Amino acid sequence: DTAVSQTPKYLVTQMGNDKSIKCEQNLGHDTMYWYKQDSKKFLKIMFSYNNKELIINETVPNRFSPKSPDKAHLNLHINSLELGDSAVYFCASSQDTGTGGLFFGEGSRLTVL
Amino acid sequence: KNEVEQSPQNLTAQEGEFITINCSYSVGISALHWLQQHPGGGIVSLFMLSSGKKKHGRLIATINIQEKHSSLHITASHPRDSAVYICAVPSYSGGGADGLTFGKGTHLIIQP
Repeated sequence: DTAVSQTPKYLVTQMGNDKSIKCEQNLGHDTMYWYKQDSKKFLKIMFSYNNKELIINETVPNRFSPKSPDKAHLNLHINSLELGDSAVYFCASSQDTGTGGLFFGEGSRLTVL
Repeated sequence: KNEVEQSPQNLTAQEGEFITINCSYSVGISALHWLQQHPGGGIVSLFMLSSGKKKHGRLIATINIQEKHSSLHITASHPRDSAVYICAVPSYSGGGADGLTFGKGTHLIIQP
């Protein structure tokens, strides 16, 4: 069983559309994260949730809205997609906040045309 | 906020060579992560360490908390070790769910 699973793996869409990426972890972890990897392969934190509560919201546009219905799920919804949103988005989870091992999903490659 | 410097950015070596990748950070931390990203894109956590040294197979990670420096070593390197290796530290000294700040990665190629 996949520990951290993301769907979809690939997403191609037009500018201006709204899309969501889902993430689920079956590890019983308390903390989940969304990371963005840009075209230069640089990873950057976007959001972190601890027990369904938003902990970090880095300088991410308001068009990005994370939703955590329960601590096993952290979904990412993006409104009014722009070309610059094209990237690979990684979901991750950890048991503890900052000191536990980190488990990544496989990534979701978003292409905005 | 923590800043991370990794070196080298690119490294090409012959099979069997001993590989060292270095990581320095600016703010004291509770733990440091070494990650591996395969050409297919998936990211795997190799180590999380807060002091001393950890070993897993041919991989060894060391950290010097006082010097704010960590190294990842690969012994008897093999072409399947070819990947991007990324160092990551908590973004702020308090750790917590602040997420991580990542190095820019070291692109390693091991030639047969």
